[in-house]
Amino acid sequence: AQKVTQAQTEISVVEKEDVTLDCVYETRDTTYYLFWYKQPPSGELVFLIRRNSFDEQNEISGRYSWNFQKSTSSFNFTITASQVVDSAVYFCALSEGGGSNYKLTFGKGTLLTVNP
Amino acid sequence: EAQVTQNPRYLITVTGKKLTVTCSQNMNHEYMSWYRQDPGLGLRQIYYSMNVEVTDKGDVPEGYKVSRKEKRNFPLILESPSPNQTSLYFCASRKVHNEQFFGPGTRLTVL
Repeated sequence: AQKVTQAQTEISVVEKEDVTLDCVYETRDTTYYLFWYKQPPSGELVFLIRRNSFDEQNEISGRYSWNFQKSTSSFNFTITASQVVDSAVYFCALSEGGGSNYKLTFGKGTLLTVNP
Repeated sequence: EAQVTQNPRYLITVTGKKLTVTCSQNMNHEYMSWYRQDPGLGLRQIYYSMNVEVTDKGDVPEGYKVSRKEKRNFPLILESPSPNQTSLYFCASRKVHNEQFFGPGTRLTVL
């Protein structure tokens, strides 16, 4: 069965610090998809990134970067020079290739607080 | 604009009074889901639908029903709500393996 673990329940940083949110996943499939979502205090869920299991290239988008490592089953998310607007709950999610009816399984989320 | 809509956004009701939360998407997605979000538990899938007239249970289906008579709509029905169904509910849709789009959420309180 697929599983996503976000071991960090809460992280608090000061503005301009770099912060890494950890995500470890479990799956038996060789084909799978990983996602990150952001939930700001307003409550909506915002898609950040999708990565498939065949693409281990790291991705950078502005201050955001993602490090996908199949060897350790991890898909970590780093925010560089954090800002107060980055304060949110961040969810990592996994979707298997087909064996689990395409369900998107979420980790329990990491609450990031960026203090001014 | 591509979106998932849910109504109502907020609802306070009493135990046992049947209610329906509507969900609609305009992206022609086959796959739709309902989730509930509770503190410390993250997002848990209630029901999902692979296409019209095809629905199945997720992780926490007890006390809920769904239907998928049209591709765009996926209502969530609580036949006899109880206080333990007080939660934040999200409807979602996706093209399989692609990003999932979420509705704005429905905050339900059952007294």
